[in-house]
Amino acid sequence: DIQMTQSPSSVSASVGDRVTITCRASQDISSWLAWYQQKPGKAPKLLIYGASSLQSGVPSRFSGSGSETDFTLTISSLQPEDFATYYCQQAHSFPLTFGGGTKVEIK
Amino acid sequence: VQLLESGGGLVQPGGSLRLSCAASGFTFSSYTMTWVRQAPGKGLEWVSGINSNGDTTNYADSVKGRFTISRDKYRNTLYLQMSSLRAEDTAVYYCAKRGESSSWSHTWFDPWGQGTLVTVSS
Repeated sequence: DIQMTQSPSSVSASVGDRVTITCRASQDISSWLAWYQQKPGKAPKLLIYGASSLQSGVPSRFSGSGSETDFTLTISSLQPEDFATYYCQQAHSFPLTFGGGTKVEIK
Repeated sequence: VQLLESGGGLVQPGGSLRLSCAASGFTFSSYTMTWVRQAPGKGLEWVSGINSNGDTTNYADSVKGRFTISRDKYRNTLYLQMSSLRAEDTAVYYCAKRGESSSWSHTWFDPWGQGTLVTVSS
């Protein structure tokens, strides 16, 4: 199975800050990576697919980059509604696997 | 697009439960569908997927042999039959549709249903 390792597990940031979350795959997954945002009590929401493609309706302050084993999700200017937990997911092969999550908290 | 799960509840260890996911707003028979679960306070775990015409399925090792995914194209409904339930199966179960620009073999999920809670306890 492909292991997905996210870091950090949590980050404290202020509104307007630039936030970067990292996801590392245990083997080459090309660009088969997605990012999700989950708020408490809600279902996850797709933000980024194909490592760097922005899902329709997602604000442009979210961006994704990377390939093979190393990927990043960047929020260029953190907004109040962005405080949530973020997950990466590899779509390279079954079983599909998620990272452990990164909680973005208010500083 | 709307996905509405139902069927969750409290069940004893060793028991069975069937989850349903009613789909609307898209051509259900054209999309891979998936179940993902989230134990209380924990991360996301992919459980099972089924291709668009229902003839190919895949399961996480943790549920293989105990859970069965299926779909009814006439009812636009996805199912998850769960048996031999264990305490570690306690979770919110989400159904999700294959995201655009993905495929059976390379799937991301969009959108997700609101989830249904399964609690396995005596």
